[in-house]
Amino acid sequence: EAGVTQFPSHSVIEKGQTVTLRCDPISGHDNLYWYRRVMGKEIKFLLHFVKESKQDESGMPNNRFLAERTGGTYSTLKVQPAELEDSGVYFCASSQRGQGSYEQYFGPGTRLTVT
Amino acid sequence: RKEVEQDPGPFNVPEGATVAFNCTYSNSASQSFFWYRQDCRKEPKLLMSVYSSGNEDGRFTAQLNRASQYISLLIRDSKLSDSATYLCVVKRGYSTLTFGKGTMLLVSP
Repeated sequence: EAGVTQFPSHSVIEKGQTVTLRCDPISGHDNLYWYRRVMGKEIKFLLHFVKESKQDESGMPNNRFLAERTGGTYSTLKVQPAELEDSGVYFCASSQRGQGSYEQYFGPGTRLTVT
Repeated sequence: RKEVEQDPGPFNVPEGATVAFNCTYSNSASQSFFWYRQDCRKEPKLLMSVYSSGNEDGRFTAQLNRASQYISLLIRDSKLSDSATYLCVVKRGYSTLTFGKGTMLLVSP
């Protein structure tokens, strides 16, 4: 069974540009999460989808970040306009449907560099 | 104060050694506890969940002390392949994982 996939693996953009990251969760997983690791810091939660609905977006840093999950399958995270401090590794994770202590499986991440 | 605190290391140990990592968390409402492993430039992967009664998985033993808000991981008979960063993770409610910065382990021949 395929794991969580993310695209692109790397992205280098200039400050002020727009970037869209994509995450494909494990098939059948209703829960989808975005996390980010900024260099030198811990991995931090951004938001959580249950199917197509945003369950918790308390970790989104500001309104330059927009996450969507139309149809409850793959998700996109758009950063517009990108700033230097947005550089980092963006991880997506998914877990089984329903609430509970289900393991979150992480994707390989997208390494974003804003210059 | 960080919600999850870990010694960043690195811990340099020879093969066969026993090594212990510690972690403290600040939010007493935390409900679930985990150790994740992250290899260089890879994604985090669940190593084991941590229970108050303590749990063991082969060479790995995890322990939780809720009163002290303290979590530990013991690795016995270290292998070269154990070299990685070990992330202490806590969960409140049903979804959000809160990570520590990780402790780096380097096992040498």
